[in-house]
Amino acid sequence: GQQVMQIPQYQHVQEGEDFTTYCNSSTTLSNIQWYKQRPGGHPVFLIQLVKSGEVKKQKRLTFQFGEAKKNSSLHITATQTTDVGTYFCLTSGTYKYIFGTGTRLKVLA
Amino acid sequence: DTGVSQNPRHKITKRGQNVTFRCDPISEHNRLYWYRQTLGQGPEFLTYFQNEAQLEKSRLLSDRFSAERPKGSFSTLEIQRTEQGDSAMYLCASSSTGVREAFFGQGTRLTVV
Repeated sequence: GQQVMQIPQYQHVQEGEDFTTYCNSSTTLSNIQWYKQRPGGHPVFLIQLVKSGEVKKQKRLTFQFGEAKKNSSLHITATQTTDVGTYFCLTSGTYKYIFGTGTRLKVLA
Repeated sequence: DTGVSQNPRHKITKRGQNVTFRCDPISEHNRLYWYRQTLGQGPEFLTYFQNEAQLEKSRLLSDRFSAERPKGSFSTLEIQRTEQGDSAMYLCASSSTGVREAFFGQGTRLTVV
């Protein structure tokens, strides 16, 4: 079945450093979404990408969808302690959302 | 409407007991999903409803698990004869047709002792 892998699994950064997580699929994706889950919380929608090569920005967050629509990345510039959490990429199939394996970000003050 | 609501938030039960969780989706959403998440892992898909019809069910869902959405609004997830391995966070999400964003509830944390 369809699998979506994310790397790295964990990332510890010093506050102010940049952070990037990558999402890779074995098949072409119709769309990709990114969610953030704070420790003890539930996944919260960040953004959706649909078009090949699409780039979207939200303040310090930059999201990119690969040209072949098989990979995506989330980049955070100048991390803050509020960025702590697990970032999941997600793709929507016909009857389900398929989660990536997640990248857990820890920001050290 | 304040979002997806799940009850209870926490449930502790003895092994072998039955438990039932409830999910109230966002009112205009016709799609409803159940996921299970264990500590340190990503959510695993369990089942999907479109209105009242259960259209997809994961192989992870043993015959001890059953879900319903009788009127296409709220949904229930029942686990019979609970086992310690059922301990997890059970998440419900809803979305509407054509809008791909899923809204997640805060989850029900089940602990089987």
